[in-house]
Amino acid sequence: RKEVEQDPGPFNVPEGATVAFNCTYSNSASQSFFWYRQDCRKEPKLLMSVYSSGNEDGRFTAQLNRASQYISLLIRDSKLSDSATYLCVVNPRSNQFYFGTGTSLTVIP
Amino acid sequence: GAVVSQHPSRVICKSGTSVKIECRSLDFQATTMFWYRQFPKQSLMLMATSNEGSKATYEQGVEKDKFLINHASLTLSTLTVTSAHPEDSSFYICSASGLAGAIYNEQFFGPGTRLTVL
Repeated sequence: RKEVEQDPGPFNVPEGATVAFNCTYSNSASQSFFWYRQDCRKEPKLLMSVYSSGNEDGRFTAQLNRASQYISLLIRDSKLSDSATYLCVVNPRSNQFYFGTGTSLTVIP
Repeated sequence: GAVVSQHPSRVICKSGTSVKIECRSLDFQATTMFWYRQFPKQSLMLMATSNEGSKATYEQGVEKDKFLINHASLTLSTLTVTSAHPEDSSFYICSASGLAGAIYNEQFFGPGTRLTVL
């Protein structure tokens, strides 16, 4: 079983829509979780860290479900500029990071 | 925020030559640096993890004699692709962690190096 699994999509949604991505992880002892955004031919950039209690940053909400071992990212009121690949990252132990394959999102006018 | 640079940003070389890529943390000391490779339309694949002053830890399937990693200081790590072949053509990205005050071991990525081997 892969350390991190994501639905690769693609997700094509109209502007203004709400879209959610999930990411499952296999190591129940994992402590740190992140969502990164990667634009085409660019490096990943941190979007959000995922806290145990869940966290929100503007239109973006990240949740962690330890019982089911998944993290989620919710994007409300999608903008054209949200089009990118979203990577979930799990940090099971010090200096070890596993990336999901990424979920491709295209927001359509 | 923390800044990580990579040099060169793009390199084209002939098959059989060696290519060195530098990764620098510009405004912080990185205890750990990571090297990733990304092929088109695929996810980042971790190649190796390096801690300053010690040998790199390579992921399974990554040849340590082909991908030489040196992490001589807290701000510089280098990846040398030795005897490069066309199948080594890829996007190589480094990241650094260990920034004091960073939450949850956040990684900071360099802009990547696009390697094309002819």
